[in-house]
Amino acid sequence: QTVVTQEPSFSVSPGGTVTLTCGLNSGSVSSGYYTSWYQQTPGQAPRTLIYHTNTRSSGVPDRFSGSILGNTAALTISGAEADDESYYYCALYLGRVWVFGGGTKLTVL
Amino acid sequence: EVQLVESGGVVVQPGGSLRLSCAASGFTFGDYAMHWVRQAPGKGLEWISLINWDGTSTYYADSVKGRFTVSRDNSKNSLFLQMNSLRAEDTALYYCGKDFVGAVAGYGMGVWGQGTTVTVSS
Repeated sequence: QTVVTQEPSFSVSPGGTVTLTCGLNSGSVSSGYYTSWYQQTPGQAPRTLIYHTNTRSSGVPDRFSGSILGNTAALTISGAEADDESYYYCALYLGRVWVFGGGTKLTVL
Repeated sequence: EVQLVESGGVVVQPGGSLRLSCAASGFTFGDYAMHWVRQAPGKGLEWISLINWDGTSTYYADSVKGRFTVSRDNSKNSLFLQMNSLRAEDTALYYCGKDFVGAVAGYGMGVWGQGTTVTVSS
C-alpha cells in the first residue's frame, strides 16, 4: 500500500523559514509525481498553494515555493507570518489516482 | 469568480445510497477535469475520485471503488457522486475540486468548494 508521509507537526518563528517535506514509503519522490501542496485552516476548505511540484497557484505569494529535495518533495515557506499557521497537505499523482499525505500542523510562534 | 457549491449531504443508514452534487459557475465547466475529496471528522484529506472533461474517463481510490460512481452533466455545469453501500467510515465532509486542465494529467485540484457533510449512522 502506498503511504505518503509528512511531518505531523512543525513550528517556525515569525519571519523565519520552514521546509515541510512529503515522502513516499515505497521510494523516492521525483518530479514525475507532480506533487501538489494545500493549506487548510480549521473549519475552512483547502486552498491550493503549489501544483506540478513547483508552480504557484493563482494569488499565492512567492513566500511559498515547492521543490524536490533529495528523495522528498518540499514546501518552503519564507518570512513566516501568523496567518501561515495552518495544516499543510501534500498530494502525489500516482498515475490517474492521487494520494494525500497525513498533513503537517504548522505553528507560528 | 470561480465557484463550486456542493449539496446532497445528509444522514444515511449503513448500506444506504446517496447522490452528491456540485454546481459549478464562473468558468467553462466542460473544459476541466473534476475531483471529489473527502475529510473524515478530525482527519486529513482523502482523494476519492476524478473524472475527465467529457466524462469518458473516471478513476477512484481503492476505498470507494465499486461503490461510488462519479459523473458529470456539462450542459448543466454539474458534477455528481453516486454513493452506494455506504459504511460508517464514509462519514466525512465531501469536497469537489476543479482541476487545472481537462485531461487526467497530474495537475490536481486548483479550486475547492466548501463541502457537504455525509453522516452514515443508524
